[in-house]
Amino acid sequence: EIVLTQSPGTLSLSPGERATLSCRASQSVSSSYLAWYQQKPGQAPRLLIYGASSRATGIPDRFSGSGSGTDFTLTISRLEPEDFAVYYCQQYGSSPQITFGQGTRLEIK
Amino acid sequence: QVQLQESGPGLVKPSETLSLTCAVSGYSISSGYYWGWIRQPPGKGLEWIGSIYHSGSTYYNPSLKSRVTISVDTSKNQFSLKLSSVTAADTAVYYCARDDKFGAAALDYWGQGTLVTVSS
Repeated sequence: EIVLTQSPGTLSLSPGERATLSCRASQSVSSSYLAWYQQKPGQAPRLLIYGASSRATGIPDRFSGSGSGTDFTLTISRLEPEDFAVYYCQQYGSSPQITFGQGTRLEIK
Repeated sequence: QVQLQESGPGLVKPSETLSLTCAVSGYSISSGYYWGWIRQPPGKGLEWIGSIYHSGSTYYNPSLKSRVTISVDTSKNQFSLKLSSVTAADTAVYYCARDDKFGAAALDYWGQGTLVTVSS
């Protein structure tokens, strides 16, 4: 089973700053099968990035994804107030076929 | 626009079976894609439960497979989840989502979620 470990657990930043979120896999993951989601309180997750670096429909270009193998990164270039939320990475792979990281909470400093 | 809506009892007794339905609008299930269930215990992270294709082909999380059945009703454009022998550990918000298994390899449309509490 591939385990996804996200860091940091909590990231405290101010609007306008740059956010860098990490997702590390216990085994190599195909870049095609790595996605990122944003979840705000009381809401369902929203797909941000798929295929490690492709933005989903309607996602602002301040969100970008990168990485390969076991190390993946979600970058938010300049934080807007609405970006403070919990972020999850997710992989498609071997059994279980879909797994999520434990999440990174992005909070206002 | 694809929309999904979960429905079902909000309270289930221990040892009983949890049953939820996800109604899909804006897209015909018969046209393709897998359709999945994901859950989130209060204050915790996301756990994928399983997914189904319109043909009925399924794949499940091995940790839940012995208790899970996912079915599809293309005539009603909906799919369903049954989770048997529930305990308090199954208390969670349950989401349904479109599973783009062979495209983006991601869950691209989600329902709003429904809280199911397991308690006597």
